[in-house]
Amino acid sequence: QQPVQSPQAVILREGEDAVINCSSSKALYSVHWYRQKHGEAPVFLMILLKGGEQKGHEKISASFNEKKQQSSLYLTASQLSYSGTYFCGTVVDSGAGSYQLTFGKGTKLSVIP
Amino acid sequence: DSGVTQTPKHLITATGQRVTLRCSPRSGDLSVYWYQQSLDQGLQFLIQYYNGEERAKGNILERFSAQQFPDLHSELNLSSLELGDSALYFCASSVSGQPNQPQHFGDGTRLSIL
Repeated sequence: QQPVQSPQAVILREGEDAVINCSSSKALYSVHWYRQKHGEAPVFLMILLKGGEQKGHEKISASFNEKKQQSSLYLTASQLSYSGTYFCGTVVDSGAGSYQLTFGKGTKLSVIP
Repeated sequence: DSGVTQTPKHLITATGQRVTLRCSPRSGDLSVYWYQQSLDQGLQFLIQYYNGEERAKGNILERFSAQQFPDLHSELNLSSLELGDSALYFCASSVSGQPNQPQHFGDGTRLSIL
């Protein structure tokens, strides 16, 4: 089942912060975050595993709330290079041995000077 | 550069035709994934292979088929093409296909059906 991302779009000025949310109705094994610029391939940002860990990647970090099956991506002090569409992908904890990454519809982030 | 190579970059063909998209995974990666990205459907998982064997199947049409060869490259075959098959097709690879590993995407093949 496709995770739900919010907001659908956000416009920031350089230096501002943003939060992108991703929620699932099913128990998750992992949450993957990717950024895609127009016409390019999705680029891997980070993975969060069940267990509620938080990860950071320079000024981009993320958390995973296992109880709520929600993940949030935090972008601080945004830069022009952060512009793009952010996708969360979720892997359901089915215990079946096969893992399918299901992506949300994406959040379009635009950073303006 | 992700290290995943997809060819061709662009493909223009007509309805009813058949095409083959090719993917070479990153060096050392044993698992390959295929995704379809269209404006209205987003990134849709099609199929996954691991070391030559099919591992998982998503929303892949019966007109589509894929395989992974002994040298680990993969091909996605699309037949009886319809206008709605126009999309970006991405290949991704990971080390062993486990859900705790990142997938690295190629630059995609843009398929246009006329």
